[in-house]
Amino acid sequence: EVQLVESGGGLVQPGRSMKLSCAASGFTFNNYDMAWVCQAPKKGLEWVATISYDGSSTYYRDSVKGRFTISRDNAKSTLYLQMDSLRSEDTATYYCASLWGYFDYWGQGVMVTVSS
Amino acid sequence: EIVLTQSPTTMTASPGEKVTITCRASSSVSYMHWYQQKPGASPKPWIYETSKLASGVPDRFSGSGSGTSYSLTINNMEAEDAATYYCQQWNYPWTFGGGTKLELK
Repeated sequence: EVQLVESGGGLVQPGRSMKLSCAASGFTFNNYDMAWVCQAPKKGLEWVATISYDGSSTYYRDSVKGRFTISRDNAKSTLYLQMDSLRSEDTATYYCASLWGYFDYWGQGVMVTVSS
Repeated sequence: EIVLTQSPTTMTASPGEKVTITCRASSSVSYMHWYQQKPGASPKPWIYETSKLASGVPDRFSGSGSGTSYSLTINNMEAEDAATYYCQQWNYPWTFGGGTKLELK
């Protein structure tokens, strides 16, 4: 059974940092591109970042470029999202998802609240 | 960036009714994917590459379209189909439509 389990969310002050993790199991992690997708409260889905299967390529939405860093550890089957200089508008549930043409497996999501 | 516009944004349907949700892209795309999300749950892939049903999706669902216009259709609406549906295009940067909330009448 495929599982993606996010962790590391919570309440953080504006301007501070937070690192999310996503532990994967049940599929060959190092064969898949991986992504983070967020959803602000009562809002729609927004793609945040993608990393290629081997970590050699990364892609970001404009609003997080220079602030967020996506990375992976294939030996640990774990995906990460380092979020720096957080803003109130980054408040959302963050999902990790595998990407095989489309976002085919999703985690349960982790809530990040940026507030003073 | 390709902008996806879904219509309607909300709708209600009775059991047995035919439902069509439309997704229009600001530029031509090769494929469209669709996701279903219920309150408090993660999105689920529903239709991929325009017309292929994801695993476990009932065959009353179908997808079609090309270029800048795509649609998701439900033949014979059932209670369990009440959810929010999102379209998503597969070109970088990946973008989603704003969602269509489908409620049971």
